[in-house]
Amino acid sequence: DGGITQSPKYLFRKEGQNVTLSCEQNLNHDAMYWYRQDPGQGLRLIYYSQIVNDFQKGDIAEGYSVSREKKESFPLTVTSAQKNPTAFYLCASSITVGRSNSPLHFGNGTRLTVT
Amino acid sequence: ILNVEQSPQSLHVQEGDSTNFTCSFPSSNFYALHWYRWETAKSPEALFVMTLNGDEKKKGRISATLNTKEGYSYLYIKGSQPEDSATYLCAFILNDYKLSFGAGTTVTVRA
Repeated sequence: DGGITQSPKYLFRKEGQNVTLSCEQNLNHDAMYWYRQDPGQGLRLIYYSQIVNDFQKGDIAEGYSVSREKKESFPLTVTSAQKNPTAFYLCASSITVGRSNSPLHFGNGTRLTVT
Repeated sequence: ILNVEQSPQSLHVQEGDSTNFTCSFPSSNFYALHWYRWETAKSPEALFVMTLNGDEKKKGRISATLNTKEGYSYLYIKGSQPEDSATYLCAFILNDYKLSFGAGTTVTVRA
């Protein structure tokens, strides 16, 4: 079955440590995205990538970094510069690049807690 | 960041009753509107992608309409069932490929 796999489901880190969230897709999608969810708010875009070796900042990119070395993989690193890293993180992908009306396919998310 | 507003934030429906709720978005530079259903412990699932003013989409007992001139979309659930309990998200697509999401409407269907 094709889909998006995020790991781990739960992640705990101490303040000041960088942490990397994994996202893998086998849907052969060109575009991949990272969103963050906080209580009472809509999903907010952190980074997106339309093609391998290319990515753009979303609305809340500060304190995060990404890479897109393979089409299937789009890992997100939450750095110590992110002031409020505790949140639920969702990875998504879609078929095409450019303006499109193709829907997003989501992973099951990673809940990160930083203490 | 363009604001996408969803109302109400939550609603409770008796099993068998029908309901509807709203997504409001900026009416300028419209490209597409997405609706997603997000059940507890699952990943969000696409329901509809709507692009044309006056669009009506249907999937089983769930349907949606779109008014791009006034900037709103309605989602309807006919004859609600417990399995319809979920958070329904709408997302407005911007010119530079990004989706802007609303906070969602959480529907709870009571048996």
